[in-house]
Amino acid sequence: EAQVTQNPRYLITVTGKKLTVTCSQNMNHEYMSWYRQDPGLGLRQIYYSMNVEVTDKGDVPEGYKVSRKEKRNFPLILESPSPNQTSLYFCATSLTGTSGEETQYFGPGTRLLVL
Amino acid sequence: GQNIDQPTEMTATEGAIVQINCTYQTSGFNGLFWYQQHAGEAPTFLSYNVLDGLEEKGRFSSFLSRSKGYSYLLLKELQMKDSASYLCAVRDSNYQLIWGAGTKLIIKP
Repeated sequence: EAQVTQNPRYLITVTGKKLTVTCSQNMNHEYMSWYRQDPGLGLRQIYYSMNVEVTDKGDVPEGYKVSRKEKRNFPLILESPSPNQTSLYFCATSLTGTSGEETQYFGPGTRLLVL
Repeated sequence: GQNIDQPTEMTATEGAIVQINCTYQTSGFNGLFWYQQHAGEAPTFLSYNVLDGLEEKGRFSSFLSRSKGYSYLLLKELQMKDSASYLCAVRDSNYQLIWGAGTKLIIKP
């Protein structure tokens, strides 16, 4: 079954404690992306990756890091989380990221609360 | 800057028809998407338009006018399970998706 998985699904942490949210896909997609979703603001892109070892900043990259060492995995790292990073996070993938009609497939989401 | 506008919230009655509008101003255009998102869940793909006109898919239809920077999603024979947020997204000249804030649709019996 084609799927995008994220872990953990829910996380409560404290300011400054480093955390990683994992994203994995089994569709052999080249393009992967991280979004955060906040009420009234819609989906905002944090980082994206066109392929292995190729990553780029999205609209709101401050406070986040990513890596793409393997095609299937795209972890999101918060080195020193702050309360303003409390949000719902989605990982999304698509085949190449360079075709207009490609749809994005989303993971189930990770709800993060930073105290 | 790039901008997508949708109404924040709409209410409709079960069995009725509702139209959710989306206007956009983006750097280039490589297609417009509609996604459905139930509360707390991931967005799921509904439709894609790249040429002007109406695309029909069962109870859902999506319309695009590129010259007006305008799209709408039409939902017919509304069911309670259609209560969700509907997200409009445009793929720009760099093939990045620009997202609207979403329209929360409330269906009443």
